Amino acid sequence: GNSVTQMEGPVTLSEEAFLTINCTYTATGYPSLFWYVQYPGEGLQLLLKATKADDKGSNKGFEATYRKETTSFHLEKGSVQVSDSAVYFCACSGGSYIPTFGRGTSLIVHP
Amino acid sequence: DAGVIQSPRHEVTEMGQEVTLRCKPISGHDYLFWYRQTMMRGLELLIYFNNNVPIDDSGMPEDRFSAKMPNASFSTLKIQPSEPRDSAVYFCASNNGGSNQPQHFGDGTRLSIL
Repeated sequence: GNSVTQMEGPVTLSEEAFLTINCTYTATGYPSLFWYVQYPGEGLQLLLKATKADDKGSNKGFEATYRKETTSFHLEKGSVQVSDSAVYFCACSGGSYIPTFGRGTSLIVHP
Repeated sequence: DAGVIQSPRHEVTEMGQEVTLRCKPISGHDYLFWYRQTMMRGLELLIYFNNNVPIDDSGMPEDRFSAKMPNASFSTLKIQPSEPRDSAVYFCASNNGGSNQPQHFGDGTRLSIL
């Protein structure tokens, strides 16, 4: 089956710092890749996605590029804000309609 | 547009009681998923439905857990009898199926079993 590995948190940054959260996946074929964000007390919500190799998903200043050669989908943002503090989940969906989620990475941004 | 709606948002009950969690998926979505989230295990898929039919319930932890979807706009997850180790946040999600379709999550039910 599919698997997703993402870096353990928490990741602690100062406001305006550069963010990278690593995500690698194992899947057969050509899966779709997703990043979800979960704010306290809320459900997961889609942040961005990419459905084929070399696609770049982007939203709200966040970006991730589908790298099939390294089976990676790392999340980046050039300048984080306090409001970006949340838990970020990488997910992979291929071969079935059921996504596999990573364990989540907590991001804490200090003013 | 209304998102996925779950009720109640919080439930506190005593061990041994029956607990029923409710979910209204987004209209037009034909897949519905129930998840459980804990610090120890992360996000676990319990069961999912397609067109109101349960497809895979291999994630349901025990016979104490059951789920139904009597129509396209309503699903329940029931725990009977409840135990303290069932304490978690339970999420419902829906989508249109297809591996490139994201899931839309509700805000969850925070369940505490005393």
